[in-house]
Amino acid sequence: AQKVTQAQTEISVVEKEDVTLDCVYETRDTTYYLFWYKQPPSGELVFLIRRNSFDEQNEISGRYSWNFQKSTSSFNFTITASQVVDSAVYFCALSRGGQGAQKLVFGQGTRLTINP
Amino acid sequence: GAVVSQHPSRVICKSGTSVKIECRSLDFQATTMFWYRQFPKQSLMLMATSNEGSKATYEQGVEKDKFLINHASLTLSTLTVTSAHPEDSSFYICSAGTYYNEQFFGPGTRLTVL
Repeated sequence: AQKVTQAQTEISVVEKEDVTLDCVYETRDTTYYLFWYKQPPSGELVFLIRRNSFDEQNEISGRYSWNFQKSTSSFNFTITASQVVDSAVYFCALSRGGQGAQKLVFGQGTRLTINP
Repeated sequence: GAVVSQHPSRVICKSGTSVKIECRSLDFQATTMFWYRQFPKQSLMLMATSNEGSKATYEQGVEKDKFLINHASLTLSTLTVTSAHPEDSSFYICSAGTYYNEQFFGPGTRLTVL
């Protein structure tokens, strides 16, 4: 069975601080995908990244970066120089690989609050 | 980019009534559509998976007779909550999946049952 654990329920930091959101996953599949989504108060999910299991290169997109380590089954997300607009709930998710659309298994989410 | 719409965005109904939620992929064909439910301050939980022209596959614990899913075309899936009760109040989100395992989420429907 697949499982995603986001141990940090809530994080609160002051603006401009760096913050890392942890994500640990469990799967028996050799091919899988990992995702991060942002959910602002409006509720709509905002896609941030998708990473397949064969690509362990770290990804950087502006102030966002992701560290994928298969050895520890982790896919952590770092926001550099955080801003108030980054306040949201962030979800890590996992799906099986292969052809066709696969269902997502979500972690419990981390509520991030950036204080001015 | 791929766009998925949901209608209505918000609905309030009386206990015992049925509510239909539509999910449409506007600019692409979705091989599969997923329906998720999210209770306040909780994560998203998959309710069911539907493929066009086939019966939906429900997750364990989800009543298929209560949550009717129809996937009549590659761009439209509907979720009908039959005889809704206050405990069905939740945020319902659909996602449309492609053959290449891309998933695009709708904006969600907030259901409140009085």
